[in-house]
Amino acid sequence: ETGVTQSPTHLIKTRGQQVTLRCSSQSGHNTVSWYQQALGQGPQFIFQYYREEENGRGNFPPRFSGLQFPNYSSELNVNALELDDSALYLCASSQGEAKNIQYFGAGTRLSVL
Amino acid sequence: EDKVVQSPLSLVVHEGDTVTLNCSYEVTNFRSLLWYKQEKKAPTFLFMLTSSGIEKKSGRLSSILDKKELFSILNITATQTGDSAVYLCAVEVGSNYKLTFGKGTLLTVNP
Repeated sequence: ETGVTQSPTHLIKTRGQQVTLRCSSQSGHNTVSWYQQALGQGPQFIFQYYREEENGRGNFPPRFSGLQFPNYSSELNVNALELDDSALYLCASSQGEAKNIQYFGAGTRLSVL
Repeated sequence: EDKVVQSPLSLVVHEGDTVTLNCSYEVTNFRSLLWYKQEKKAPTFLFMLTSSGIEKKSGRLSSILDKKELFSILNITATQTGDSAVYLCAVEVGSNYKLTFGKGTLLTVNP
């Protein structure tokens, strides 16, 4: 059974650019959640996808958007990058009746210069 | 606004010590409380607690939830250097299984 994998591991962008982060969920998991973790803080919920539909969103502006594909993998897109978007972006997957146990990937470290 | 507060924010102990990490919460529509260990990047799941007073145990780690007083504790006995990590407490809120996290407790275990 493969775990949650994210790509890329590191990314450097400049202000105003756009970025796409990718996540492959754990085998058999149909729900993917994205979190932003700033340095020294706990992860903050961005949004969740269940069976290709957005299923809840945190306090993030519309320039944060996502997709989930039929194989349950997911993308996080961020437009018009700002310096404060620099953070570790974590993807977590969960499944079925144990949806609330979310299993995390190692994250993508995004630096915005 | 949902809130999860962990204390202490950091802790330094010696190998063999016992530590207690605290997590209090104020949320609407509580469903469960989860503990994670974050060593470098990926938080790894430790426990999920849904009922008051029932201790969950895994080796030297244990945790308990008090839904009346709205807090949980994570105990680690006979600490080892490999226990050094950030311990995150998260509360599952609402029908979409959103997790609201605390800031974490940075535990450093010195030899």
